[in-house]
Amino acid sequence: QEQLVQSGAEVKKPGASVRVSCKASGYTFTDYYMHWVRQAPGQGLEWMGWINPNSGGTNYAQRFQGRVSMTRATSIRTVFMELSGLSSDDTAVYYCARQHRGVVIGATPIDYWGQGTLVSVSS
Amino acid sequence: QTVVTQEPSLTVSPGGTVTLTCASSTGAVTSDSYPNWFQQKPGQAPRALIYSGTNKHSWTPARFSGSLLGGKAALTLSGVQPEDEADYYCLLYHGGPWVFGGGTKLTVL
Repeated sequence: QEQLVQSGAEVKKPGASVRVSCKASGYTFTDYYMHWVRQAPGQGLEWMGWINPNSGGTNYAQRFQGRVSMTRATSIRTVFMELSGLSSDDTAVYYCARQHRGVVIGATPIDYWGQGTLVSVSS
Repeated sequence: QTVVTQEPSLTVSPGGTVTLTCASSTGAVTSDSYPNWFQQKPGQAPRALIYSGTNKHSWTPARFSGSLLGGKAALTLSGVQPEDEADYYCLLYHGGPWVFGGGTKLTVL
């Protein structure tokens, strides 16, 4: 069955970087984009960007450009999201979610989500 | 910066019908925005309900339906069940980036 399993919780100091992983199973890894979404405590969902695991191409939300990097390792069916220059405002649960790579970007469903990874930033 | 607006909260009685909407600061929401709707309960990851405005996932209960209504994306729940109490988020495609709405807290009372 399709599954996205994320890495465990992280605690970081301000100014540090964090890397969260998302391992896919049960489907053809390169057939699906992977989105990253975060949710600060008590707040709504925020889209961060996506990566095309087939090409490595990315599309980042403007507010994260220069600070976020999404990469993939196809041999281990895993995508990574690295966020640098952390501040307390980056304390959130980070999710990965897949979307089929259809002919028309946007028209295909964003369906399965990872379980989430809590990143806490505190001095 | 595009802003996507949803009702902050709505209340509905069990068995009733409620419509949640999703508006974009860039103008009318159209099929080219490919609206997605997600349900999230406390402590859980979001669950996908609707994609491309009107299409249901295989697990989406029949009482949920998506549409475009008056320049907005809409999610209608007909015959609301107590377990539908949750936060609901829309997600719109803007030709590259995607943008979430602020979410609607649905109370079933």
